[in-house]
Amino acid sequence: DAKTTQPPSMDCAEGRAANLPCNHSTISGNEYVYWYRQIHSQGPQYIIHGLKNNETNEMASLIITEDRKSSTLILPHATLRDTAVYYCIVNAGGTSYGKLTFGQGTILTVHP
Amino acid sequence: DAGITQSPRHKVTETGTPVTLRCHQTENHRYMYWYRQDPGHGLRLIHYSYGVKDTDKGEVSDGYSVSRSKTEDFLLTLESATSSQTSVYFCAISESISNQPQHFGDGTRLSIL
Repeated sequence: DAKTTQPPSMDCAEGRAANLPCNHSTISGNEYVYWYRQIHSQGPQYIIHGLKNNETNEMASLIITEDRKSSTLILPHATLRDTAVYYCIVNAGGTSYGKLTFGQGTILTVHP
Repeated sequence: DAGITQSPRHKVTETGTPVTLRCHQTENHRYMYWYRQDPGHGLRLIHYSYGVKDTDKGEVSDGYSVSRSKTEDFLLTLESATSSQTSVYFCAISESISNQPQHFGDGTRLSIL
């Protein structure tokens, strides 16, 4: 699976959009980009995933660049409850039995 | 939320004792996973299952065994627990290994003294 690079920490004001970047320059054509988050002491929570098109769900939007070497997770209106560690993961599924490789992630702190 | 229940949620035991952690799902998903999470290491895959009685090793499988006799249950056993196995253990399930996310349980915090 391709390696990802994320900033170690970011801050965001409550009510503003949080934009979390991820670099995955060695991503291959069959690898999806997944985003998870983990709130202290809880299990990782799935947020969104995509292959090459932008995706949106009730939690967030995922923007993938045309060359697929980077992506951005957007939380449109961050709240205090969005404070968590956010993980960007690329995964090909079938070639790696679905194993997810979690890096260090980005610690997002949402402040009032 | 995905129907995943891990038990026990917390356990303290002594070195050398056997320990079994249970993951129970109500989603009828084919794939199940056991991860451990330690400071500085992120989540690491221990074992996974791709069907009833079908299991395989992950990247940190030494000292662990698993069993899956029913679709809904995936058991992780530490035959003789060691202090290095003190960790938080997470179970995950997935409908498919392609283009489907994994959903995680709330974890079991295991301390081995």
